[in-house]
This record gives sequence, C-alpha cells and structure tokens, in this order.
Amino acid sequence: AQSVTQPDIHITVSEGASLELRCNYSYGATPYLFWYVQSPGQGLQLLLKYFSGDTLVQGIKGFEAEFKRSQSSFNLRKPSVHWSDAAEYFCAVGDSGAGSYQLTFGKGTKLSVIP
Amino acid sequence: GAGVSQSPSNKVTEKGKDVELRCDPISGHTALYWYRQSLGQGLEFLIYFQGNSAPDKSGLPSDRFSAERTGGSVSTLTIQRTQQEDSAVYLCASRTRTSGGVDTQYFGPGTRLTVL
Repeated sequence: AQSVTQPDIHITVSEGASLELRCNYSYGATPYLFWYVQSPGQGLQLLLKYFSGDTLVQGIKGFEAEFKRSQSSFNLRKPSVHWSDAAEYFCAVGDSGAGSYQLTFGKGTKLSVIP
Repeated sequence: GAGVSQSPSNKVTEKGKDVELRCDPISGHTALYWYRQSLGQGLEFLIYFQGNSAPDKSGLPSDRFSAERTGGSVSTLTIQRTQQEDSAVYLCASRTRTSGGVDTQYFGPGTRLTVL
C-alpha cells in the first residue's frame, strides 16, 4: 500500500526567508503527487501536482516542488515566505492501481511565519 | 465557476443519533470522494463514487457509515448511531474523469461534526 511521510510536524520561519517542506512517499508504480494547503477552517487548496515529465513543477503562490525518484521525495519549496503562507501543508499520492485515484495524505506540516 | 459545496458547515449531535452530511460536487464532475480529517488519524479516504456507483468503499470505518449519490451529482454521507470517535471534519472532493489520467481533486470546505 502507498504511504506518505512528512517528517516535520511544525516549522517556523521568518517572513522573507526561504522554505522547504519535506515529503517522502512509498508507491510501487509511477506516483501521482500533490501538494495541498489548508488554512484554518478551510478546505484543501491544490498548490501543485506532478504526473509525469519535467520533475520540477511550478504551482500557485510562488511554490515549486521537485520530484526525485531516487530519493522517493517530492519536496515543496518557496524562495521567500509571506505571512499569508501560514497554514498547514499536505503532501499526497494518488493511487491509480484500484482505478479510484484516491489520495493518500501525509500527516501534514504546520507552517508558522514570524513577521 | 462554483466549487464543491458541503452542508452543514458544522453539526453538533448527541451520541447515538444519526447524521447526514451533504456534498454538492462541481457540475460535470463524475468522480466524487469522501475523506475524514481527525486529529489522531489525519486525512483518511472513506469512499469513492464514479457516477452513482461506489466501486471503492474500502475506507468506511464501520457499517454505521454509508453513502449514496443520486443523479450523478449530490452525495450524502450518513452516520448511524454516532459515537464520540466519529467527531472529525468530513471533506468531500470531486474530479472530472479524464482518459488514462489522474486529474485533480477539488475539495469542499468540509463539515465539522462534533459528537457529544
């Protein structure tokens, strides 16, 4: 079965600093990978996704992620964090094996931003 | 256009009561999912609909949980005889079926269920 690990439960960065959120996955075939963001009391918003092709993908709000098959990783990055980026971030892998493409999520990383 | 909507946004119920949670997917989206988000377990898949059929119910935690979808649109998740451990945020998502692809799931704002 597939799984996703987000090693960092909580990260605090200063506004303007760079950010990297880690994600490792376990999946037998080519993974379909996603990053979602959730603000308090809100649903999940898609930041970016990887299906195939270029391993560096660009998303909304200035985020990018790099797929590294050799490391089973899909880390999320942003060069300069804004206070509005404070939220919880979820990495997910889509399961194509059963045909449902259900998502398996990591436990999430909560990002706090110091002004 | 309109996104995925869910109602109610909050539901407080007493242990042992039945509850119904509603999801209105994005128009034209044939696939619909229910997930549960709780403090202890994180985000968990519950059930998947393709049209009105549910080919994958593997995430439903017990037979107290059921779901249906009518007209290829609205879905209702029903929890019978609620227990305190059912307290969670229930999220609905929908996506368009693409040929051979894995399209994006779009999530609703969720229903926060509290069982007293």
